[in-house]
Amino acid sequence: EAQVTQNPRYLITVTGKKLTVTCSQNMNHEYMSWYRQDPGLGLRQIYYSMNVEVTDKGDVPEGYKVSRKEKRNFPLILESPSPNQTSLYFCASSLEGGAGSPLHFGNGTRLTVT
Amino acid sequence: AQSVTQLGSHVSVSEGALVLLRCNYSSSVPPYLFWYVQYPNQGLQLLLKYTTGATLVKGINGFEAEFKKSETSFHLTKPSAHMSDAAEYFCAVITSGTYKYIFGTGTRLKVLA
Repeated sequence: EAQVTQNPRYLITVTGKKLTVTCSQNMNHEYMSWYRQDPGLGLRQIYYSMNVEVTDKGDVPEGYKVSRKEKRNFPLILESPSPNQTSLYFCASSLEGGAGSPLHFGNGTRLTVT
Repeated sequence: AQSVTQLGSHVSVSEGALVLLRCNYSSSVPPYLFWYVQYPNQGLQLLLKYTTGATLVKGINGFEAEFKKSETSFHLTKPSAHMSDAAEYFCAVITSGTYKYIFGTGTRLKVLA
């Protein structure tokens, strides 16, 4: 089944404790991206990747890191999480970004930072 | 710069009534436009998309949207609401050659029995 898989679904952590949210897609998509969803703000793009080893900042990249060493995986790293990063996070992929390809979304990761 | 505005963060309709969710975009070049639906505790699913060609686009679950360049709009409609349509709906835009999908703030649809 074609899908985007995120793990974990729920994560509670403390300020400053490094964490990684994994994202994997099995559709051989070139484009992958991360979003955070906050009430009243919709989805805001954190980082995106056009292909392996090619990443760029979205609209809200501060406090996050990403890497794209393999085509299928695009982990999101919070080196020193803070409470304002408490949010619902989505990973998404598309065949090729920028060419009208629709995004396929994972089921989300709800992160709470205390 | 691209932007998307969804008018109405909450919309309520009676079961069987017309659904109209509004989306206006701002883009200096022809955009690609999408509507996504999000059910509770799930990711977003594609409802429909406009890339080029026919301006009236049909999607899943009886939804459709019309691209109106002169009004910079891409409103989502469904002739008859069903209880299962209750969800949050997002409009999104991307322009050719860019890699940033811009989402609206969402409209939560409530269907009344």
